[in-house]
Amino acid sequence: EAGVAQSPRYKIIEKRQSVAFWCNPISGHATLYWYQQILGQGPKLLIQFQNNGVVDDSQLPKDRFSAERLKGVDSTLKIQPAKLEDSAVYLCASSLATYNSPLHFGNGTRLTVT
Amino acid sequence: EDKVVQSPLSLVVHEGDTVTLNCSYEVTNFRSLLWYKQEKKAPTFLFMLTSSGIEKKSGRLSSILDKKELFSILNITATQTGDSAIYLCAATTNYGGSQGNLIFGKGTKLSVKP
Repeated sequence: EAGVAQSPRYKIIEKRQSVAFWCNPISGHATLYWYQQILGQGPKLLIQFQNNGVVDDSQLPKDRFSAERLKGVDSTLKIQPAKLEDSAVYLCASSLATYNSPLHFGNGTRLTVT
Repeated sequence: EDKVVQSPLSLVVHEGDTVTLNCSYEVTNFRSLLWYKQEKKAPTFLFMLTSSGIEKKSGRLSSILDKKELFSILNITATQTGDSAIYLCAATTNYGGSQGNLIFGKGTKLSVKP
């Protein structure tokens, strides 16, 4: 099966600019996650979708971050305006909505904010 | 606050050695514990553990969970240079009736020298 697709692979922007990341989950996976992984840290959940509804966005900095999954498939994550501390790898993951289904991760987008 | 702690943070061994990676957790509404291997790209799924004392094996890798003492270990026997990676441990919770998110540790960076 095709894996989780993410684009772009790399992005360099200046602080205060905006940026958007795209994710296409594994076909049939109802649950989609965006994680932020800062260098030297484990991934941290930003937002979880079940189909096109938000399940958990408690750790999403909503003043600058937004995410949507309009048709319950693809998702975009946006940062506006970016800060230096947003430099990280942004990982998208998906899973089946069944009990204890493991998450499958995409290759991530490495964001550098200068 | 929920947390997952991994030790050691880094480890250097020689090919053929056996290594044990540790993961302890303090998580409310604990559901399961997962191990991932992260090389340069996406974390790849290794094991999911839900029951105490039942070892899961895949080739030279094995893992076990102790729900009483709140920890898990990942063993790798006869290590190879291809085992060099960051090994991430994560706990899942019951949240809002859905699968819940993953709470990751910082990872153990394993380097296997020829």
